[in-house]
Amino acid sequence: GQQVMQIPQYQHVQEGEDFTTYCNSSTTLSNIQWYKQRPGGHPVFLIQLVKSGEVKKQKRLTFQFGEAKKNSSLHITATQTTDVGTYFCAPPEGGSQGNLIFGKGTKLSVKP
Amino acid sequence: KAGVTQTPRYLIKTRGQQVTLSCSPISGHRSVSWYQQTPGQGLQFLFEYFSETQRNKGNFPGRFSGRQFSNSRSEMNVSTLELGDSALYLCASDPGQGGSYNEQFFGPGTRLTVL
Repeated sequence: GQQVMQIPQYQHVQEGEDFTTYCNSSTTLSNIQWYKQRPGGHPVFLIQLVKSGEVKKQKRLTFQFGEAKKNSSLHITATQTTDVGTYFCAPPEGGSQGNLIFGKGTKLSVKP
Repeated sequence: KAGVTQTPRYLIKTRGQQVTLSCSPISGHRSVSWYQQTPGQGLQFLFEYFSETQRNKGNFPGRFSGRQFSNSRSEMNVSTLELGDSALYLCASDPGQGGSYNEQFFGPGTRLTVL
């Protein structure tokens, strides 16, 4: 069946350092979503990527969808303490339809 | 618009009991999905309802069931609780017709502890 791998599982950074999390799928994806869950909170939608090679930016966050549409990444420039949380990628089950499958997430901690 | 609400927020049960959790989606949203979140397994899809019909189901035993009402509110039920059912149960509503192309709006979750 479809596998979604998200790495790293944990990342500890000093405030001001950059952070990147990677999401890899065993199947080609029609789209992928990213969510953030703060400690004690619930997942909140960040973005959706649809096109091959797509790059989208939200302030200090840069999202990328691979050319082969099998991987995606989230990069945060100059992390802040407000970036603390777990970041999940969520592609569709089977690659193109149906419910979302969430990766295990990357837990980011930021030391001030 | 009010967000997704879930009740109760916390619940403690003992093994063998059953539990019913409730989810009210954002007004106008007709698709509701349920997820189980545990430290070990992460966020796992339970099932999705649209217009009172279950459209998708995850890989969970038959002890887990759900339903959706005509006002789009949804309930999930877990019978014969096991220790491993302790988790955060999240519901998410979808402004479209479900599927993977729409943003999911999550509720705060119900924290279930099974003793």
